[in-house]
Parts: sequence; C-alpha cells; structure tokens
Amino acid sequence: EADIYQTPRYLVIGTGKKITLECSQTMGHDKMYWYQQDPGMELHLIHYSYGVNSTEKGDLSSESTVSRIRTEHFPLTLESARPSHTSQYLCASGSTGSGNTIYFGEGSWLTVV
Amino acid sequence: SQQGEEDPQALSIQEGENATMNCSYKTSINNLQWYRQNSGRGLVHLILIRSNEREKHSGRLRVTLDTSKKSSSLLITASRAADTASYFCATDRNAGNMLTFGGGTRLMVKP
Repeated sequence: EADIYQTPRYLVIGTGKKITLECSQTMGHDKMYWYQQDPGMELHLIHYSYGVNSTEKGDLSSESTVSRIRTEHFPLTLESARPSHTSQYLCASGSTGSGNTIYFGEGSWLTVV
Repeated sequence: SQQGEEDPQALSIQEGENATMNCSYKTSINNLQWYRQNSGRGLVHLILIRSNEREKHSGRLRVTLDTSKKSSSLLITASRAADTASYFCATDRNAGNMLTFGGGTRLMVKP
C-alpha cells in the first residue's frame, strides 16, 4: 500500500466557492503530480512538482493552482469552482530512483453544482 | 493525442479465462508500465517493463513489449472476479518521471 493520502474523498460545493484538495505523502518522494480523470476516461496531467518550491503545469490546461512548500504536501486549489470542474482529481508521487513508478492516492471526487 | 492507447476499450470474460489487453504508443520510451484502477479508486502499479526487455512476469500477469511495433500487451491468466477493474498502460516521455496514460481497458470478469 502506498502512503499517499487525499482529502476530502468526496466534495459537493456550489459554483463560485473556493476549494482546496489536500494531498500528503509520507514516502519522502521528491516528485508529486495531480491528474484529472472524468468517469471511465483517461487521466490528464494538470500539475506536477519536482521538489519544494517547484511547480509546473501539465498537459491539460487547468484553472487550478498548486503549491509545494513542504516535500510531503501538494495541495490543489480552485479559487472559484464551476460545474466544468466536476471530476475526479488524483494525486500521485514518485522518487527519482523509483524507475518512474508513481503511487496514487484514492482520489478526490469533486462535484460543483 | 495520447502517447498510449489501449485496445480493446472494454472486455468481458468468464472467470478462469485469460484476458489480454494491448497498448500502442507513438514515441520512443524508457519503460512502459501497467496500472490497475478499481472503480472510483486510485491507480495501483502492477508491473514495469524496460525498453530493453521483451517479456516480464509477475504472478498471473505477463507483459510483453515490442519496441519495433511500439506496442505492449498485458495478459492476465486464470482470471478471477476480483480482477474486474480498468487497466491502463503508461509510458514515460523522458527521464523525469513524466508518465502519459492511455484511455484504459475496462475488464469485467463474470463469476
């Protein structure tokens, strides 16, 4: 089992609200990622970080932002949620020496009404 | 467009049968990985095969890689109902742990 945790697991919020999805890992991994996945669909990389104070945007443009102030913590924030943000958000982490294997959290299901 | 694409998109078999899923990709890779996702959950790493390997086994899983055809296959032998899940291949585009996932194959194993 991977030691990577996401909260909340499920969230229903109204349009315009600000939300933060939390992701923490206890494996000391330097690399962390956020993927977005609609039900039954492929994963899209939206953000990644190669270490503290390093953040980059992924392949899929996202209105969300991320921060990496501590190695173990990689929160994702939506300043003003919209129904189009409804999706599952998956956090993952990996280390430089792990052969590119990454470990996923259980995901956060976000519904914006 | 995606780096990796799985085929078929969906597969339904009876318990005890073998399940084969294929993955094709477009550019050269360092390695290819297979992940499993139970409904509504995160992905779990199954197996990694490096570009200089042709076949790898792990329990009931057998993965092959053909770099000349830019394709890989995942075989699950003697399937069980608990194998019901989506299976994704992932390729790395560079040495920076940047994985690109395909659309997945949804496997249903009927008891």
